[in-house]
Amino acid sequence: QVQLVESGGGVVQPGGSLRLSCATSGFTFNNYGFHWVRQAPGKGLEWVATMWSDGSRKSYSDSVKGRFTVSRDSSKTTQYMQMNILRAEDTAVYFCARDDALHRLNYWGQGIPVTVSS
Amino acid sequence: QSALTQPASVSGSPGQSITISCTGTSSDVGGYNYVSWYQQHPGTAPRLMIYDVSNRPSGVSDRFSGSKSGNTASLTISGLQAEDEADYYCGSFASSSFPFGTGTKVTVL
Repeated sequence: QVQLVESGGGVVQPGGSLRLSCATSGFTFNNYGFHWVRQAPGKGLEWVATMWSDGSRKSYSDSVKGRFTVSRDSSKTTQYMQMNILRAEDTAVYFCARDDALHRLNYWGQGIPVTVSS
Repeated sequence: QSALTQPASVSGSPGQSITISCTGTSSDVGGYNYVSWYQQHPGTAPRLMIYDVSNRPSGVSDRFSGSKSGNTASLTISGLQAEDEADYYCGSFASSSFPFGTGTKVTVL
């Protein structure tokens, strides 16, 4: 069955870095793009970044552009998001989701919390 | 990259129908037939309920339906049930971004 499992979250100081991983299984990895979506405590869903299915095109929200970078390792069927220069407002639960088409996020990971605090 | 606009809350009694709106612009909701809807219960990941404006994934009840007119999409829940109480988010493709709506809390009275 399709599985997405996030890891790499935790507590980090402002200005610090974290790398989130999204390990996948149960489907042909290279056939799909992936989204990162976050949810701040008590807030709504916010789209963060997308690795398109071609493996090269990437899109970012204005709030993270220049600080976050998505990548993937097809040999490990894993998606990554490198987060640099973290700010308090980046505190959220981060979800990875498989892109079945344009904004058809049919499979999601369980989410991983990231806390940016001194 | 503005969030799509949804009402903060909608409520209804069991058995009733409710409709949630999602208003965007001609650059997102109005420009593409790639509008989706997600249900989220507390502490869980979102679940896809509607994609491409009006299509239901396998396993989603036919009590959920979607539509679009101009820059506004809508999700209708018919025959409201207790388990429908949750947060609902719309989403749309927007050329190179994928904005979500502001979210609507559905309460079953």
